[in-house]
This record gives sequence, C-alpha cells and structure tokens, in this order.
Amino acid sequence: EDQVTQSPEALRLQEGESSSLNCSYTVSGLRGLFWYRQDPGKGPEFLFTLYSAGEEKEKERLKATLTKKESFLHITAPKPEDSATYLCAVQPSGGSYIPTFGRGTSLIVHP
Amino acid sequence: DSGVTQTPKHLITATGQRVTLRCSPRSGDLSVYWYQQSLDQGLQFLIQYYNGEERAKGNILERFSAQQFPDLHSELNLSSLELGDSALYFCASSPSPKTLNYGYTFGSGTRLTVV
Repeated sequence: EDQVTQSPEALRLQEGESSSLNCSYTVSGLRGLFWYRQDPGKGPEFLFTLYSAGEEKEKERLKATLTKKESFLHITAPKPEDSATYLCAVQPSGGSYIPTFGRGTSLIVHP
Repeated sequence: DSGVTQTPKHLITATGQRVTLRCSPRSGDLSVYWYQQSLDQGLQFLIQYYNGEERAKGNILERFSAQQFPDLHSELNLSSLELGDSALYFCASSPSPKTLNYGYTFGSGTRLTVV
C-alpha cells in the first residue's frame, strides 16, 4: 500500500525565515510526486509535479526537490501570504494511477 | 476560478437523509474524481470516472454512489447520512487518468454538515 507522511504537521515562521517541509513516501513504482497548496475552505491548488530523483522545480519563493524516498518543499524568505496547508501526493506507475495524499503541513507565516 | 464547478457550496441536512453533490469538470477534462476531506482523515479518494465509465474505487461507503453523465458532469449521491459523514467533499478533474503533468484541478468543494 502506498504511504505518504508529511512533517512537521504544523510550522510557524516569522516573515523572512526560510524553512523546509518534508514528504516521505513509499510507493510501488513512482510515476509522479505532486505538491499542492490548500487555503482554508478551498480546494487544493496544484504547485509542482516531480518525476525522478534529483529533479527540482521552482515557483516564486518555493522550490521542490525529489529523492528516491522523500521530497522537500523549501520556502525561501516566506511572506504572510504563503500561509496555507501544503499537501504532497504520490502517483503510482501502475494500477489505477490514483495518487495517495499526505495529511499536509499547516504553515503560518507571521508578519 | 479553477474551472471545476461544484454545487452547492454548503449543505446542511439531517441524519438519515439523502443528498446529491454536483460537479462540472474543467473544459476538456474527461476524468473526474471525488474526494472526502475531514480533519481527522485528510484527503480520502472515493471514486473516479473516465469518459462516463467508473475507473477506480477508493474508500467509498456502500451508502454512497456516483455517476458521470454524457456531458461529463458528475454527481455524488450520499444516502442514509450519519453525523460522521460531515466533511468537505471535493471534485477534481484531469485530461486523463494516467498523465498528470499538471496534477488534478480541484473545485472549491461542498461543505456537508449532518445534524
């Protein structure tokens, strides 16, 4: 069974204080790993897809990296508007191709 | 606006009742997915349809059913509702089940409260 564990569950940062969120996974063949941002009461919003170990993708203050066992979402000099829950999901390379989601990391950035 | 439309946004109903949640996928997307999100369970996959046919089932209760119509919109039917069914229900869509270069596109959800 595919498993995704995200840590920490919650993270409080001061504006400008860089940090990283972790997503550890086990999957029987990885087709893709996804990062989403979810604001309270709204649907998840797609951020990145990573396909293979060593791959990196960036968007504004966010950078996602991938190894064979985990992914990191690095947040550089965060702003209050980066406050949200960040979800990680892994898509298996076979079967139904349905991604398994982690429980998420709730990030609060204080001004 | 993500392009995925869900109605209604909020629903309050009594235990034992039946409700229908509606979803219109993003234009061009053939695959529709239903998810349940609660505080203690996270985002749980319920069921997937692709071009009108059921493709995959997740942790969907027998009291729940879904279908996708020829115009590709989908409905999730929840019956004999219990207090524990209170949650956010999301619909998502993608062009195909396999290639998710841009992940899923999620709707804004339906918040169901069972009293």
